[in-house]
Amino acid sequence: GAGVSQSPSNKVTEKGKDVELRCDPISGHTALYWYRQSLGQGLEFLIYFQGNSAPDKSGLPSDRFSAERTGGSVSTLTIQRTQQEDSAVYLCASSPTGVQPQHFGDGTRLSIL
Amino acid sequence: QKEVEQNSGPLSVPEGAIASLNCTYSDRGSQSFFWYRQYSGKSPELIMFIYSNGDKEDGRFTAQLNKASQYVSLLIRDSQPSDSATYLCAEGGGYSTLTFGKGTMLLVSP
Repeated sequence: GAGVSQSPSNKVTEKGKDVELRCDPISGHTALYWYRQSLGQGLEFLIYFQGNSAPDKSGLPSDRFSAERTGGSVSTLTIQRTQQEDSAVYLCASSPTGVQPQHFGDGTRLSIL
Repeated sequence: QKEVEQNSGPLSVPEGAIASLNCTYSDRGSQSFFWYRQYSGKSPELIMFIYSNGDKEDGRFTAQLNKASQYVSLLIRDSQPSDSATYLCAEGGGYSTLTFGKGTMLLVSP
């Protein structure tokens, strides 16, 4: 079956622009997670959606970051007024019913010029 | 603040040897533990998970959990050069996100 799908796979943009990253989870998975991984670093949790519950936004690094999940499926992570330190690979994962294990997409490599 | 600690490595082993990867965690309430493999430039891939004390075997991989010592390990038997990757340990407490360690790089030499 299809895995977690992320788009675009690569995004290059200028500092100050807004970007939107998309995640399509595995069909039937109610939990969806966003992480960020900078070069040579570990995974940094950003946000977690579980069904219709309010999302856990505790990992978002600033108010320039936001995410939504429509219809309990596709999620969009938006970064406004991008900064160079936002350059990283953004990974999305999903899991059944919020109980792990999580399965990751291939990520979006974001480069801010 | 939950923490998961791993030696960054690299851990170098010859082909055919047993590779032993270790991880400690801070939260005594953690219920589930995961090992992910991440090749350079790729996303993490789940290889093992363990919920109960003791050993869990899957092919060449064995996960070991000791909740009293807050310690998780991954053994890879008959290591192959294709096992060379970074191995991420993660813990979770139920309906929540995972806390990941920074990973241990494993190098298996032919």
